[in-house]
Amino acid sequence: IVMTQTPLSLSVTPGQPASISCKSSQSLLLSDGKTYLYWYLQKPGQSPQLLIYEVSNRFSGVPERFSGSGSGTDFTLKISRVEAEDVGVYYCMQSIQLHTFGQGTKLEIK
Amino acid sequence: EVQLVESGGVLVQPGGSLRLSCAASGFTFNSYAMSWVRQAPGKGLEWVSDISATGSSTYYTDSVKGRFTISRDNSKNTLYLQVNSLRAEDTAVYYCAKTTTRYCSGSCYAPLDYWGQGTLVTVSS
Repeated sequence: IVMTQTPLSLSVTPGQPASISCKSSQSLLLSDGKTYLYWYLQKPGQSPQLLIYEVSNRFSGVPERFSGSGSGTDFTLKISRVEAEDVGVYYCMQSIQLHTFGQGTKLEIK
Repeated sequence: EVQLVESGGVLVQPGGSLRLSCAASGFTFNSYAMSWVRQAPGKGLEWVSDISATGSSTYYTDSVKGRFTISRDNSKNTLYLQVNSLRAEDTAVYYCAKTTTRYCSGSCYAPLDYWGQGTLVTVSS
């Protein structure tokens, strides 16, 4: 399964929203009703951290300004109001067929 | 607190071998499938391998099949990755990661919820 993210980079003013798209080459919906799509953030110099699981569920400790949506093959990560600590590279990942990551989207602060 | 600590990364010549280790603590290691993910310098994330909680099921990305072997010692709370026939393109930081599931059947169908800090493998002559 190929995961395609857009844009590959974005520059956002603090307090403004940001949105990242992720499209999969096959549906990530399994017969159990779950959709195996996740979002990660890799901050500079750090390991990746899980933000969102199964499309729209925030992982423990993730701020409410992060939200995920979508279905089937089209997914979106939104940050309602970007903060300086949100800089880094965002990846989507699928786990319906082993694991595949998107290319990553680099978020910078203006 | 979940902790994953990788070790074993070194500079190795093409064709060489080494074993990466990941020491786990802060959770019941034998209840979760585990993964290895790598990141080449300046590049994105690439999944490498999964292993189920008991070690009975293993999975690999195509580029490492036949060269890499994932294993685990649940008595030592340790995950391993034996890497053989190394190539320049295997140069990367290798991360171990915990999944949220015990079983894997064709796929582990789970996110990687905790990651180690990574260990650098450099393949160069």
